[in-house]
Amino acid sequence: AQSVTQPDIHITVSEGASLELRCNYSYGATPYLFWYVQSPGQGLQLLLKYFSGDTLVQGIKGFEAEFKRSQSSFNLRKPSVHWSDAAEYFCAVGTMEYGNKLVFGAGTILRVKS
Amino acid sequence: DAGVTQSPTHLIKTRGQHVTLRCSPISGHKSVSWYQQVLGQGPQFIFQYYEKEERGRGNFPDRFSARQFPNYSSELNVNALLLGDSALYLCASSLRGVWVTGELFFGEGSRLTVL
Repeated sequence: AQSVTQPDIHITVSEGASLELRCNYSYGATPYLFWYVQSPGQGLQLLLKYFSGDTLVQGIKGFEAEFKRSQSSFNLRKPSVHWSDAAEYFCAVGTMEYGNKLVFGAGTILRVKS
Repeated sequence: DAGVTQSPTHLIKTRGQHVTLRCSPISGHKSVSWYQQVLGQGPQFIFQYYEKEERGRGNFPDRFSARQFPNYSSELNVNALLLGDSALYLCASSLRGVWVTGELFFGEGSRLTVL
């Protein structure tokens, strides 16, 4: 079965510091991979996605992620964090067993300190 | 253009009651999916509908049902509510029902509290 692991429940970084959020997936075929962000009380906003091709993908708000097949990872990075980036971040894998179903990780809560 | 809209945004029910949640997809999108997000967890897949047909069902009891209408809007129904059904219910739409046409767009959710 497909699964996604986000090892860090909470991460705190200083404003202006770099950020890396970890994501590992388990899926037998070529995965479709996503990062979503959720602010308190809000829905999910897509940051970026990987379907195929270049393993380094760029997203909105200055985020990027790198797909590493050998490590089954899809880590999210940002070179300089802004206070407005404080939110919960979800990694997800898109499965093919039913249409376009997503399997989500448990999320990582990002806190930004000034 | 309007995004995915869901109603109601918040509701409170008591155990044993029934609830109906509604979703309007982005204009032109023909697939609607429903997810349950319990506090502190990632969203879990409940249903996907495409062209008014069920395309997928997650590991949820038969108390959960859904349907999609000719205008592609959708309803999620939950019968005999339990305390554990308290969650944020998210609706997502996509152009079609498969990944080749792109990603899911999520609404802001319906927050259900069961007392």
